[in-house]
Amino acid sequence: DAKTTQPTSMDCAEGRAANLPCNHSTISGNEYVYWYRQIHSQGPQYIIHGLKNNETNEMASLIITEDRKSSTLILPHATLRDTAVYYCIVLTGTASKLTFGTGTRLQVTL
Amino acid sequence: GAVVSQHPSRVICKSGTSVKIECRSLDFQATTMFWYRQFPKQSLMLMATSNEGSKATYEQGVEKDKFLINHASLTLSTLTVTSAHPEDSSFYICSAESPGTAHSPLHFGNGTRLTVT
Repeated sequence: DAKTTQPTSMDCAEGRAANLPCNHSTISGNEYVYWYRQIHSQGPQYIIHGLKNNETNEMASLIITEDRKSSTLILPHATLRDTAVYYCIVLTGTASKLTFGTGTRLQVTL
Repeated sequence: GAVVSQHPSRVICKSGTSVKIECRSLDFQATTMFWYRQFPKQSLMLMATSNEGSKATYEQGVEKDKFLINHASLTLSTLTVTSAHPEDSSFYICSAESPGTAHSPLHFGNGTRLTVT
């Protein structure tokens, strides 16, 4: 599965959009981009995933570049409860056997 | 949505004893479950893949005789930490996959914090 690169940490003011980038330059044609987050002392929570089209759900939007070498997770109106570690994971086939990197620690502030 | 329940959420045990952690899929059947371990300020590390009705597959470096996994039904997998030592203190998390749903996300439990004294 392709390796991903994310910034170690980011800050965002409450109410503003949080844009979390992820580089996956070695992604192959059949690999999906998944985003999970982990709030402190809880299990990971699925956010969104996509192949090549942009996706949106009730939690976030996923923007994938045309060459698929990078993507951005957008939380449109961040709240304090969005403070968490966000993981970008690229894998093929089913969503089995996720390998977690170090993720981006998002701190939402007042 | 699909819910995975872990029990207990916290457990403290004495060194040398064994601890069992349960992972249940509440509203779906899971032929495959995964067990992760997470040390403070680190990411999740996959320990093993639990398959209903067959032996678990362990990741390299994980002792299968120390971390016993049983997946006896489509809704329950258990992880038993045998002869626990303080270095086994960690956050253990399970996840489950809904069968027949390609590209669907995994569903995670809320973890079990094990402290060995």
